[in-house]
Amino acid sequence: DQQVKQNSPSLSVQEGRISILNCDYTNSMFDYFLWYKKYPAEGPTFLISISSIKDKNEDGRFTVFLNKSAKHLSLHIVPSQPGDSAVYFCAASMGNTGTASKLTFGTGTRLQVTL
Amino acid sequence: SQTIHQWPATLVQPVGSPLSLECTVEGTSNPNLYWYRQAAGRGLQLLFYSVGIGQISSEVPQNLSASRPQDRQFILSSKKLLLSDSGFYLCAWITGGNTIYFGEGSWLTVV
Repeated sequence: DQQVKQNSPSLSVQEGRISILNCDYTNSMFDYFLWYKKYPAEGPTFLISISSIKDKNEDGRFTVFLNKSAKHLSLHIVPSQPGDSAVYFCAASMGNTGTASKLTFGTGTRLQVTL
Repeated sequence: SQTIHQWPATLVQPVGSPLSLECTVEGTSNPNLYWYRQAAGRGLQLLFYSVGIGQISSEVPQNLSASRPQDRQFILSSKKLLLSDSGFYLCAWITGGNTIYFGEGSWLTVV
């Protein structure tokens, strides 16, 4: 059962335009969401996160939007750059009590930024 | 400084051979450690997590096992590898603030 879903396996965007990566989740207990970027043969690197008490978090060119009622979040990259070409993973967790915070990952979306 | 390392980076192993991937963390104590696998065409799948020495939780039944012999050491093992064990393995450290640090990753090809 895939609790975190990224329904678009790939996305192609022209340089300078906006990239929008989508993520849906089914578990209403998730209260913290993260986006990771992964280059081939490397481990994922953290991009941006959002708590369920917010609906938007912005960091430079990256903005994450959270719609709790729809159980949907999205990552916006503006403007897109060729170096943004990578696989993007959405991840979710429930609770942060200081014990093991298990992350549930989506299947990833491959973003290709073209010149 | 806080770092996480795993090795080996790549290995090719015959079916039925043993496996040992090692992960170590520096700059912290009592970290929450995780092993993930990314098989071809799939997302990151959580295999094991550990909140302390000797404490291992398994998320999925499989041919693999994990051990936490020391506070900052997490080992992924198998006694007999299967072809389906091929994939990209990641060790991860998740802080109390939900920041996750990944190791460099290990590519395993079982032939």
